Amino acid sequence: RKEVEQDPGPFNVPEGATVAFNCTYSNSASQSFFWYRQDCRKEPKLLMSVYSSGNEDGRFTAQLNRASQYISLLIRDSKLSDSATYLCVVKKSGTYKYIFGTGTRLKVLA
Amino acid sequence: EAGVTQFPSHSVIEKGQTVTLRCDPISGHDNLYWYRRVMGKEIKFLLHFVKESKQDESGMPNNRFLAERTGGTYSTLKVQPAELEDSGVYFCASSQVSRLEWGKTEAFFGQGTRLTVV
Repeated sequence: RKEVEQDPGPFNVPEGATVAFNCTYSNSASQSFFWYRQDCRKEPKLLMSVYSSGNEDGRFTAQLNRASQYISLLIRDSKLSDSATYLCVVKKSGTYKYIFGTGTRLKVLA
Repeated sequence: EAGVTQFPSHSVIEKGQTVTLRCDPISGHDNLYWYRRVMGKEIKFLLHFVKESKQDESGMPNNRFLAERTGGTYSTLKVQPAELEDSGVYFCASSQVSRLEWGKTEAFFGQGTRLTVV
């Protein structure tokens, strides 16, 4: 079983739609959680960190459920420019090693 | 401010040859990481430097891979001899050291080196 599991998609949604991605992690020692965004043939870029209380940044909302060991990302009012691969990333306590999921592809359609 | 830069952006080599990838981290970042993504798989950790010291090299696949960071600035990753399964995208990342804020340590990635072994 992979340490971080994501549905690879693709998720094809119309502009303006709301879309949600989930990610599960297997190691309960995981301490830090992030969503990274990766455009085609580009480097991953931090979209947002995920905090226990949940956090929001504009149209993006991230939630963490430690009991069930999953993380979610909600995108409201999708834009064409949101089309990308969204990578779920966890980091174990006491290490700097990032564990990546395979990513979820999102295509926002006009 | 310059980001993480990697060179070359692409490399095509024959099986058995040697390739050296270079990474220049963001100035002042003591942490430097190497990651790799092979086709269809997730990005996987290779190793982590703090300054010139290897802190964790648990992800290095075998002894054909050698990473160095002399002087604690740029890093090189050498593959010798290269095999077909080494093909993939090699990412370098860097971050600041902050023991108090491990949870908030953002890693900045370079654009990667796409290595193809034929």
